[in-house]
Amino acid sequence: EIVLTQSPATLSLSPGERATLSCRASQSVDTYLVWFQQKPGQAPRPLIFDASNRATGIPARFSGSGSGTDFTLTISSLEPEDFAVYYCQQRSTWPTFGGGTKIEMK
Amino acid sequence: QVQLLQSGTEVKKPGSSVKVSCKASGGTFNNYAFSWVRQAPGQGPEWMGGIIPVFGTTKYAQKFQGRVNITADESTTTIYMEVSSLSSDDTAVFYCTRGKWSSNYAMDVWGQGTTVIVSS
Repeated sequence: EIVLTQSPATLSLSPGERATLSCRASQSVDTYLVWFQQKPGQAPRPLIFDASNRATGIPARFSGSGSGTDFTLTISSLEPEDFAVYYCQQRSTWPTFGGGTKIEMK
Repeated sequence: QVQLLQSGTEVKKPGSSVKVSCKASGGTFNNYAFSWVRQAPGQGPEWMGGIIPVFGTTKYAQKFQGRVNITADESTTTIYMEVSSLSSDDTAVFYCTRGKWSSNYAMDVWGQGTTVIVSS
């Protein structure tokens, strides 16, 4: 099983600040990595697929990068609606998820 | 409009089974793979397994092998997941997801979730 480790567990930031989230895989997943956003009481929503491609309707302030074992999700300037939990997920082998990073308001 | 509509909340006793349904609409049913994802309270999502209806094939995460059965009914475009030997650890929200069948169980579209409560 491919283990995904996300860091940090929590990010305390203010609106307008830049958020940088990390996801590290225990072995290479090429670019078969997806980023999800989840708000309380809602299903996860895909943001980025194949490491760097924004899903339909996702604002340009969200960007993804990386390949192999190290990946980054960047939110260039946080909007109030961006405070949520973010998960990475790989589909190189059967799907696994990371433990999540919570972006909370400072 | 693409939609996955799941069945409602279930309350079950430990040791019993539960069967959850997911009605797919929008798009061609046989173009997709469907997965089930468990999310326990305060925890991250966990892929349980999936099915590719056009091939009739299923795949399960090792953790759930033998305890979860995923089936599909093409005539009603509905996916089912049955979980047996329920324990309190199975108290969770279960999501049905959909992705292209060629994309190794990608999860592009999500249902609204079904809450299962296991309690004596």
